[in-house]
Amino acid sequence: GAGVSQSPRYKVAKRGQDVALRCDPISGHVSLFWYQQALGQGPEFLTYFQNEAQLDKSGLPSDRFFAERPEGSVSTLKIQRTQQEDSAVYLCASSIGTSNYGYTFGSGTRLTVV
Amino acid sequence: AQSVTQLDSQVPVFEEAPVELRCNYSSSVSVYLFWYVQYPNQGLQLLLKYLSGSTLVKGINGFEAEFNKSQTSFHLRKPSVHISDTAEYFCAVSDRDNAGNMLTFGGGTRLMVKP
Repeated sequence: GAGVSQSPRYKVAKRGQDVALRCDPISGHVSLFWYQQALGQGPEFLTYFQNEAQLDKSGLPSDRFFAERPEGSVSTLKIQRTQQEDSAVYLCASSIGTSNYGYTFGSGTRLTVV
Repeated sequence: AQSVTQLDSQVPVFEEAPVELRCNYSSSVSVYLFWYVQYPNQGLQLLLKYLSGSTLVKGINGFEAEFNKSQTSFHLRKPSVHISDTAEYFCAVSDRDNAGNMLTFGGGTRLMVKP
């Protein structure tokens, strides 16, 4: 597609529920990033893929967070046993290469844990 | 490791007035610098970037920024703002030599343009 597509746009989860957030990057974009944006704050890095390889997951806040990109295109961010502090907007970005090429961000998924 | 500080959380300004949004960064390595804009309920859109060369960078929508290495700053400016410029603005850096080149963002500045 023309841009980065994320689904769902909004997700309400009960505390303890598992959720899966999807990102469809721009076709041909090698790099894919996930960021977490808490209310009123800047995005914070979660994880990075180059094709199907997860090269950096240093930003994942706990072992409840898991990301995959099995075929080097679509990526899924999974959060197990959600907690209230997981409430945030989760942004996906893709790039044809590294940051000097610029990233294209999706509109994000707003997760609310109740 | 890098960090980015945006000193002003909110900047109110009247339409057609000039504006400057401040950004300072800290890094032990060479960096690329970026400004992104975020409209309500949307993702981030790249305004401009500094990679190398001229320290004055021009971007979209009439914005420009100047890289000052000695002051580790990358302030964003626009000579005359419009109502449509109301949005959240984020300054970001990435490590020039890191293959991953993840972005480190500041906390954002909300630009509020009043008629």
